[in-house]
Amino acid sequence: EAGVTQFPSHSVIEKGQTVTLRCDPISGHDNLYWYRRVMGKEIKFLLHFVKESKQDESGMPNNRFLAERTGGTYSTLKVQPAELEDSGVYFCASSRLAGAYSTDTQYFGPGTRLTVL
Amino acid sequence: AQTVTQSQPEMSVQEAETVTLSCTYDTSESNYYLFWYKQPPSRQMILVIRQEAYKQQNATENRFSVNFQKAAKSFSLKISDSQLGDTAMYFCAFGNAGNMLTFGGGTRLMVKP
Repeated sequence: EAGVTQFPSHSVIEKGQTVTLRCDPISGHDNLYWYRRVMGKEIKFLLHFVKESKQDESGMPNNRFLAERTGGTYSTLKVQPAELEDSGVYFCASSRLAGAYSTDTQYFGPGTRLTVL
Repeated sequence: AQTVTQSQPEMSVQEAETVTLSCTYDTSESNYYLFWYKQPPSRQMILVIRQEAYKQQNATENRFSVNFQKAAKSFSLKISDSQLGDTAMYFCAFGNAGNMLTFGGGTRLMVKP
């Protein structure tokens, strides 16, 4: 089966511009997660979709970030306007929908490296 | 909130030898899962091994095994017979009930020929 895919692989933009990252999860995976790794730091959670609904967006840094998941399939993460501190690698992961007392493995995409100049 | 700590930013090992990567975590949860992920240079992050906290038996996957010490909140990864392809960034992660993962800072492992 196809893995998690992300587009673009790299993006270089100037401060103040807008960028949209896309993630296509593994087919049949209802859970979709966004994470970010800023240079030299830990990978940090941004938000979690279950199908088309936002389950947890506690990691979103501010209102310049907007995530959507149309029809419970692919997801987009828009940064508008981008700031220098938004630079980093943005990872998407997906997993099957599991019960309240279990968890399925999250499978990661290759990431999008965002550079804001 | 959970925290995950990897105290070894970088490690190296000779090919065919054994190396152990350490990971400690802090949580008040009783039901959780622990993971080791591997990210080779310029490649995708992949799952190495997974451990359910309720299981006493340590997980193994071929040359990879863990030493899970629940009381000590320790979850180390042992790589036996190291191969050049094991060169990667290794991340320890904590998760529970379908929710987000909390990651450690990572350990960069270099396998030398």
